[in-house]
Amino acid sequence: NAGVTQTPKFQVLKTGQSMTLQCAQDMNHEYMSWYRQDPGMGLRLIHYSVGAGITDQGEVPNGYNVSRSTTEDFPLRLLSAAPSQTSVYFCASSYSRAGVWETQYFGPGTRLLVL
Amino acid sequence: GQQVMQIPQYQHVQEGEDFTTYCNSSTTLSNIQWYKQRPGGHPVFLIQLVKSGEVKKQKRLTFQFGEAKKNSSLHITATQTTDVGTYFCAAHRSNDYKLSFGAGTTVTVRA
Repeated sequence: NAGVTQTPKFQVLKTGQSMTLQCAQDMNHEYMSWYRQDPGMGLRLIHYSVGAGITDQGEVPNGYNVSRSTTEDFPLRLLSAAPSQTSVYFCASSYSRAGVWETQYFGPGTRLLVL
Repeated sequence: GQQVMQIPQYQHVQEGEDFTTYCNSSTTLSNIQWYKQRPGGHPVFLIQLVKSGEVKKQKRLTFQFGEAKKNSSLHITATQTTDVGTYFCAAHRSNDYKLSFGAGTTVTVRA
């Protein structure tokens, strides 16, 4: 299994540009999430999905859109990039078992710089 | 805001010494998960605690979940250079998939 994969690894954008960060998992996990990581802030949840066709907002959703058309893929769209969106973005997937949330598996991350 | 508060933010440790990082919440938690992130890497799951008062050990790492399920700690004994990185606690509130992360404790080790 490849686990959780993310593309691209690095990206530089100009203010106002749009782009899509790709995330895929091959573990048949029902849950997928997007986080951003900024110094001193830990990981903050942007959007998450509990299954194909179902998405919901996390802690910091503004400026981002997501969709979940398949179990495997969970792309994150930046509609109009702003310097405040410079960050490291992590995608994660997980599952539940007997009512207990299990571990989150993280992708390698995408480092985004918005100029 | 963050559901879980983690202290200290930084921990500078002499090789061979012990240290502890703490995670606290004002609300009852469904569980506590601990992750380690090496510099330049991604978070990697270490352990999950679910039961009140639970204690789990992984070699030199000891994890505790408080009796009231509102706090947790990670204690590392005989710190080694391989322990360098940032340790995060994360928690679900009851019946809520959303996982809230603490700000992390970044550990550096002096040889």
